[in-house]
Amino acid sequence: GAVVSQHPSRVICKSGTSVKIECRSLDFQATTMFWYRQFPKQSLMLMATSNEGSKATYEQGVEKDKFLINHASLTLSTLTVTSAHPEDSSFYICSADSGRQGQLGNTIYFGEGSWLTVV
Amino acid sequence: AQTVTQSQPEMSVQEAETVTLSCTYDTSESDYYLFWYKQPPSRQMILVIRQEAYKQQNATENRFSVNFQKAAKSFSLKISDSQLGDAAMYFCAYRSAGAGGTSYGKLTFGQGTILTVHP
Repeated sequence: GAVVSQHPSRVICKSGTSVKIECRSLDFQATTMFWYRQFPKQSLMLMATSNEGSKATYEQGVEKDKFLINHASLTLSTLTVTSAHPEDSSFYICSADSGRQGQLGNTIYFGEGSWLTVV
Repeated sequence: AQTVTQSQPEMSVQEAETVTLSCTYDTSESDYYLFWYKQPPSRQMILVIRQEAYKQQNATENRFSVNFQKAAKSFSLKISDSQLGDAAMYFCAYRSAGAGGTSYGKLTFGQGTILTVHP
């Protein structure tokens, strides 16, 4: 079946630096991907919708200059946390829709998630 | 905007017994999808069951079944013959099926229910 791969699974970075997380669809083209953030024992909060070839759509309250999203190809979306601070430490998960542009797919595939720790 | 509410932060069940997890949602849409996801300690999101709102018949997947009450906007998950491997955090989620709009394709999650299975 289709797989969404997320990398790295764990990353530790120093405060003030930037870190990039990749979300890759391995055997299907994903025109739309979603980025979520999850704190321990809490729900997944949608951060932004990543659209191939166009700007990401951010949810209210999410700083677009801090969380840069790039969806340069049909199989890759990246989330860059810029000037990271300890409060950015969290679990980040991406998901990809199996549908073609403009149409919802039958299946939503999730990446394995990435633990970010900012020290 | 749609909201999803899981009123049970934690539930427990004895192995081989049955447990029901509650979920209610609020929407003004008539066409949508509802999901139950399982998130074990590995944090990988696993689809348990999916329900299309236009279908009156409740979805079932082996030991997992739902009670979908569209008028009451209720979507509970019943786990029969509980197994130790069912222990996880369970999320109820809503997805709009209507084309276009700002909510298109997004998953809205409930707060989650931590399920403990006792041997």
